[in-house]
Amino acid sequence: AQSVTQPDIHITVSEGASLELRCNYSYGATPYLFWYVQSPGQGLQLLLKYFSGDTLVQGIKGFEAEFKRSQSSFNLRKPSVHWSDAAEYFCALREAGTALIFGKGTTLSVSS
Amino acid sequence: KAGVTQTPRYLIKTRGQQVTLSCSPISGHRSVSWYQQTPGQGLQFLFEYFSETQRNKGNFPGRFSGRQFSNSRSEMNVSTLELGDSALYLCASSLQQGAGTEAFFGQGTRLTVV
Repeated sequence: AQSVTQPDIHITVSEGASLELRCNYSYGATPYLFWYVQSPGQGLQLLLKYFSGDTLVQGIKGFEAEFKRSQSSFNLRKPSVHWSDAAEYFCALREAGTALIFGKGTTLSVSS
Repeated sequence: KAGVTQTPRYLIKTRGQQVTLSCSPISGHRSVSWYQQTPGQGLQFLFEYFSETQRNKGNFPGRFSGRQFSNSRSEMNVSTLELGDSALYLCASSLQQGAGTEAFFGQGTRLTVV
């Protein structure tokens, strides 16, 4: 069965420092992969998505993610974190005919 | 273009009651999905509707039901509420079905069962 694992429940990063949020998935083929962000009391906003092609995808707000088939990973990165990036981040996968399957999420705190 | 609208934003219900939540998708979107979000279980899929037909269903008891109208608006109903149904219920709309179709989420309805 498909699954998504986000190993880090909570991460704290200094403002201006780089960020990497980990995501591992379990799926037989190459799935459709997504990263969403959720601010407190809000819905989910799509940051970026990977379907095929270039394994490094660019998203909104300066985020990027790299798909690595050999490691079954789709890690999210940002070179310089801003205080406004503090939120909860969800990695998700989807295959044809099914719904989005989400990881448990990683809460990002940004320290000054 | 207006986003996904969920009403109401907050609800407090008593155990044993029933509740109906509403979702208006983005104009032109024909697919609506519902998710339950809790601190313990995270985001769990409830069901998906496309063109008024339920296309997918998650692993939830029959107390959870939904429907979609001809204008693509959707409602979900939970009967005989239990304390464990307290959650944020999120609706997502997509232009069409398909794994690669982007899902746009509403702000959710926060349901508290007391």
